[in-house]
Amino acid sequence: GNSVTQMEGPVTLSEEAFLTINCTYTATGYPSLFWYVQYPGEGLQLLLKATKADDKGSNKGFEATYRKETTSFHLEKGSVQVSDSAVYFCALWPNTDKLIFGTGTRLQVFP
Amino acid sequence: EAQVTQNPRYLITVTGKKLTVTCSQNMNHEYMSWYRQDPGLGLRQIYYSMNVEVTDKGDVPEGYKVSRKEKRNFPLILESPSPNQTSLYFCASSLSRPPDTQYFGPGTRLTVL
Repeated sequence: GNSVTQMEGPVTLSEEAFLTINCTYTATGYPSLFWYVQYPGEGLQLLLKATKADDKGSNKGFEATYRKETTSFHLEKGSVQVSDSAVYFCALWPNTDKLIFGTGTRLQVFP
Repeated sequence: EAQVTQNPRYLITVTGKKLTVTCSQNMNHEYMSWYRQDPGLGLRQIYYSMNVEVTDKGDVPEGYKVSRKEKRNFPLILESPSPNQTSLYFCASSLSRPPDTQYFGPGTRLTVL
């Protein structure tokens, strides 16, 4: 079946550190992939997306590349800020009527 | 302001007492859905609606009902809540079905005693 696997958190970093949050997926065909972010006390919001293999989604300094050969969509940022502290969800659209979300990874950035 | 609103934001209730969580969007979106968020399980879809009068089950529909009588509203009904329905609930909407960007409400934290 279709599924998304994310690394468990929390991920704890100092400000300006490099961030990687791993996401792998299982799906048939050519799904679209997303990262959503949930700031404390808020609903989720779209961070970035990629719709085909080798596409790179980017926004607010975050990047993720759709790697079909490794079925991955890892989230990266070169220099995190305290304001990036949030829960990050990887999501998959396997050409159906709904999105499939991962379990979420909490990021904590300290000054 | 374009938004998805949910009410109430917090609710503590007792087993078996019927409740409704309202969801409304002002973006003329066709697709709406309900999710529950639980630690270690992420977001799981409860129900979704492709348009008015069209609803379908998500991954965890047991114990929930929905209706879509108007395009803007998509209430979630718990006829007889049980403690295992204690969770954080999110309503979301999008212009059309996924992969259109989902816009989420602020969440409703429900505790069933």
